[in-house]
Amino acid sequence: EIVLTQSPGTLSLSPGERATLSCRASQSVSSSYLAWYQQKPGQAPRLLIYGASSRATGIPDRFSGSGSGTDFTLTISRLEPEDVAVYYCQHYDSSPMYTFGQGTKLEIK
Amino acid sequence: EVQLVESGGDLVQPGESLRLSCAASGFKFSTYWMSWVRQAPGKGLEWVANINQDGSEKYYLASLRGRFTISRDNAKNSLYLQMNRLGVDDTAIYYCARHGPYYEADYWGQGTLVTVPT
Repeated sequence: EIVLTQSPGTLSLSPGERATLSCRASQSVSSSYLAWYQQKPGQAPRLLIYGASSRATGIPDRFSGSGSGTDFTLTISRLEPEDVAVYYCQHYDSSPMYTFGQGTKLEIK
Repeated sequence: EVQLVESGGDLVQPGESLRLSCAASGFKFSTYWMSWVRQAPGKGLEWVANINQDGSEKYYLASLRGRFTISRDNAKNSLYLQMNRLGVDDTAIYYCARHGPYYEADYWGQGTLVTVPT
């Protein structure tokens, strides 16, 4: 069973700064099936990135994904107050099994 | 516009059953994999089950297999989750989600709350 570990647990940054969120898999995974989601307080999750680096429809280019193998990154450039949320990585494998990371909480100072 | 609207969440006693529904609109429901994902209060996301386009393939989180049953009615554009022998650990918001070509959950409903008290 693949385990996704996200770090840091909480990230506190100022508007305009860059946020770098990490997702590490317990074994090498296909980047085709690695996704990132944003969940704002009181809302359902929203897809940000799929295939490790492709932005979903309507997602601003401030959000970007990268990585391969066991290490994946979500980068948010030029943070805005509206980016306050919990961010989750997720992987699908052919078991089939969907696995989510435990989330990174992003706070804006 | 893609819409997923869950319903059926309720306060139920331990050991009881509940059936959740998800009404889909704005897309051709019969051509997509669908899933249920849950989120316990203050916790992260947990995949529950998914189902292929015609309902012939169904997969479950191992710990739920045998208690939960996912199904769909393509004529009614609806997804269902039958939950039996509910316990305290099943308390959560249950979301339905549509899957894209890379199995990403590209659209989510607003969720329905299931509460099983101690």
